[in-house]
Amino acid sequence: DAGVIQSPRHEVTEMGQEVTLRCKPISGHDYLFWYRQTMMRGLELLIYFNNNVPIDDSGMPEDRFSAKMPNASFSTLKIQPSEPRDSAVYFCASSSRDFRSLPPYYEQYFGPGTRLTVT
Amino acid sequence: GDSVTQMEGPVTLSEEAFLTINCTYTATGYPSLFWYVQYPGEGLQLLLKATKADDKGSNKGFEATYRKETTSFHLEKGSVQVSDSAVYFCALSEMIGGSQGNLIFGKGTKLSVKP
Repeated sequence: DAGVIQSPRHEVTEMGQEVTLRCKPISGHDYLFWYRQTMMRGLELLIYFNNNVPIDDSGMPEDRFSAKMPNASFSTLKIQPSEPRDSAVYFCASSSRDFRSLPPYYEQYFGPGTRLTVT
Repeated sequence: GDSVTQMEGPVTLSEEAFLTINCTYTATGYPSLFWYVQYPGEGLQLLLKATKADDKGSNKGFEATYRKETTSFHLEKGSVQVSDSAVYFCALSEMIGGSQGNLIFGKGTKLSVKP
């Protein structure tokens, strides 16, 4: 498997523009997560899905942020309008239950991230 | 709520030195514990894990033991290499009703190893 795929890898945009980040999880994984990483705030969970359904979006900073997962192989994170303070690295991760271990656990596999710069 | 506290960095060591990065946690249930590593310009990847008390996770010369009595999961390596320079994250995850809870991450500890 190719792992979690994110696109684009780098995005530079002007304040006020719409930004769409994309993620393809590992096939067969039933959980998908969006994180944001900055020097100041560290790694923050924005939202996660289980079987394409949003479970917890309490980390989404404000209404400018939205996320969708229309099917098991694709998710988007949209920022509209973007602001300079949204500049960060955005990671997507996916996971499924590992039954080989007792007790079973979930390992999250991270994508390479999208570095977003809003000027 | 659940939380993870790990020692603040940055940590700078010489090659072949001994490494310890402390991690303690608070959890209402019985979590699984993880160490993730992030190399420059990359996403996080699982380094090792432990799913029950007294389990020792190990990988690439790194070890950590799940200590329920002290709620700790300290990361150790006997002899670090320059290639170990990265940011290390301690994390926990609890099963909730048979389903996965979130991964709760510590703030990360940056390790720099000098030749």
